[in-house]
Amino acid sequence: DGGITQSPKYLFRKEGQNVTLSCEQNLNHDAMYWYRQDPGQGLRLIYYSQIVNDFQKGDIAEGYSVSREKKESFPLTVTSAQKNPTAFYLCASRPDGLWDTEAFFGQGTRLTVV
Amino acid sequence: LAKTTQPISMDSYEGQEVNITCSHNNIATNDYITWYQQFPSQGPRFIIQGYKTKVTNEVASLFIPADRKSSTLSLPRVSLSDTAVYYCLVGALDYKLSFGAGTTVTVRA
Repeated sequence: DGGITQSPKYLFRKEGQNVTLSCEQNLNHDAMYWYRQDPGQGLRLIYYSQIVNDFQKGDIAEGYSVSREKKESFPLTVTSAQKNPTAFYLCASRPDGLWDTEAFFGQGTRLTVV
Repeated sequence: LAKTTQPISMDSYEGQEVNITCSHNNIATNDYITWYQQFPSQGPRFIIQGYKTKVTNEVASLFIPADRKSSTLSLPRVSLSDTAVYYCLVGALDYKLSFGAGTTVTVRA
């Protein structure tokens, strides 16, 4: 069953701790994306990757880091430098990153920092 | 990426047609227009994409005038389950996939 999987669905962390959100896809897609969504707001792009071992900052990259060592995996680390990390995080992938291709999203991880 | 402008919210009733217009005045020649739908606490899902004139699928229709400076997503005979946020995206050959605030459509009984 092909798709994009984010885990865990809910995550709680203490303030000051780094936390890594998992995103795995078995769609053989080259491009992957991370977004943040706050209540009542749209999606904001954190990082994106066009291909393995390459990634670019999105619109709100400060306080986040990513890696793309494998085509299937694009983990996001929320560092202690992120001032307001509590949010809904969404991962997406596209076949080759070109515009006229559909993006597929995971079900999201809701991170709460206390 | 071409900047897009769409209404923040729209209200409708079951059985009505909902039309959401997106403005993209600086759309480039190679740009496609894509719409996504997002339900609460879920990731967005692709609805429809077009380049010019009209595109229709089982979910919606997309109308694009000749100058392509705007587009209209049409949802026929909406039901309560069509209550969602709808995003209009415009761009071409650009790996960056940026979403705006979207239009919140609320369907009432």
